[in-house]
Amino acid sequence: TQLLEQSPQFLSIQEGENLTVYCNSSSVFSSLQWYRQEPGEGPVLLVTVVTGGEVKKLKRLTFQFGDARKDSSLHITAAQPGDTGLYLCAGLEYNFNKFYFGSGTKLNVKP
Amino acid sequence: NAGVTQTPKFQVLKTGQSMTLQCAQDMNHEYMSWYRQDPGMGLRLIHYSVGAGITDQGEVPNGYNVSRSTTEDFPLRLLSAAPSQTSVYFCASRPFTENTEAFFGQGTRLTVV
Repeated sequence: TQLLEQSPQFLSIQEGENLTVYCNSSSVFSSLQWYRQEPGEGPVLLVTVVTGGEVKKLKRLTFQFGDARKDSSLHITAAQPGDTGLYLCAGLEYNFNKFYFGSGTKLNVKP
Repeated sequence: NAGVTQTPKFQVLKTGQSMTLQCAQDMNHEYMSWYRQDPGMGLRLIHYSVGAGITDQGEVPNGYNVSRSTTEDFPLRLLSAAPSQTSVYFCASRPFTENTEAFFGQGTRLTVV
């Protein structure tokens, strides 16, 4: 079992649609990060959320950290084919020693 | 900017063979870690290090050894390869302070037959 559960696991949508990816855990984290991974590459950081209830926007992407610091969501508005990829959430322990990754959401945006 | 460099990119091993996956970073990061990525499982932490001479186990350490003799290098050793170790392996590094970004290598795709 993984500490962080992401849903949905797969998402295939048309260009222009909106979508939300969820990242849930029973554990409390110091911070939560979202990464995007392209095939054959390592994950690349999109955003870090630190404060419970925090909302961050990155162009068409909106990230939210739950009030209890256990969960997070990623919302994409008007998805584009360039958004296609694997989205991973990662929680950092309070002692900064370990990052735990979610199982990932594979997004395919069709033109 | 080299960042995190992993070698080799691809490797095929026979069951029972041993090998070392290399990881080097040039950002003077204290924290380095190894993950394996399997389909539908995201990334799972194998071992990590918070500085030279200090290593610890992650979620799935069995069958793997690590050492950290320098800040730059963090090799991962497979002692006796098994088919269950077929996976993509990623090395990552970051400064050992709160909420910092992890930088990943490009991965090593390992197949054990």
